Amino acid sequence: NAGVMQNPRHLVRRRGQEARLRCSPMKGHSHVYWYRQLPEEGLKFMVYLQKENIIDESGMPKERFSAEFPKEGPSILRIQQVVRGDSAAYFCASSVDSYEQYFGPGTRLTVT
Amino acid sequence: DAKTTQPTSMDCAEGRAANLPCNHSTISGNEYVYWYRQIHSQGPQYIIHGLKNNETNEMASLIITEDRKSSTLILPHATLRDTAVYYCIVRVGNGGSNYKLTFGKGTLLTVNP
Repeated sequence: NAGVMQNPRHLVRRRGQEARLRCSPMKGHSHVYWYRQLPEEGLKFMVYLQKENIIDESGMPKERFSAEFPKEGPSILRIQQVVRGDSAAYFCASSVDSYEQYFGPGTRLTVT
Repeated sequence: DAKTTQPTSMDCAEGRAANLPCNHSTISGNEYVYWYRQIHSQGPQYIIHGLKNNETNEMASLIITEDRKSSTLILPHATLRDTAVYYCIVRVGNGGSNYKLTFGKGTLLTVNP
């Protein structure tokens, strides 16, 4: 049973470009969560999605960030017009229910 | 969710047991204790969780005090690959807004050869 998959693992964007981060949950998992880890800091919750629904996006910055989890395909975290402060590791987790969340390897975004 | 307090860092000799403490004095009756770890540059890894009874799995044991105000994660035979930041997280088991995992600074466990 493959774990949570994220791609790309490393992403470099220039200021003002768009970043798209993809997350494929574990087989049978319908809950997806995105977390961000800034350099030298702990993980912070961003958004919780179920298939085709955003359940809680209270941790998402108000502008430029969006997330989706379509009926088919991976969950996408989209960051428009990236700035240097968006440089971080973005982790996706999935779960069957609200108990254990299993994390992917993360996408390291570097904004130059 | 209740707040947790962990030591900033700990050392352990390879092959010995690593005992990582966590204080959660404001824990509520329906809150579970979860442990995750993050090996450098990797995603967090679920280790174990419990409510009030001691728990054991293939990775570790979790000892929760009778008053549930503190707990200890035990790695029985630490290896160099267990070097990581260990996070103790308290959250309601299911339902409501309990899905958010709140990661503090955790304990950096260094296993020495």
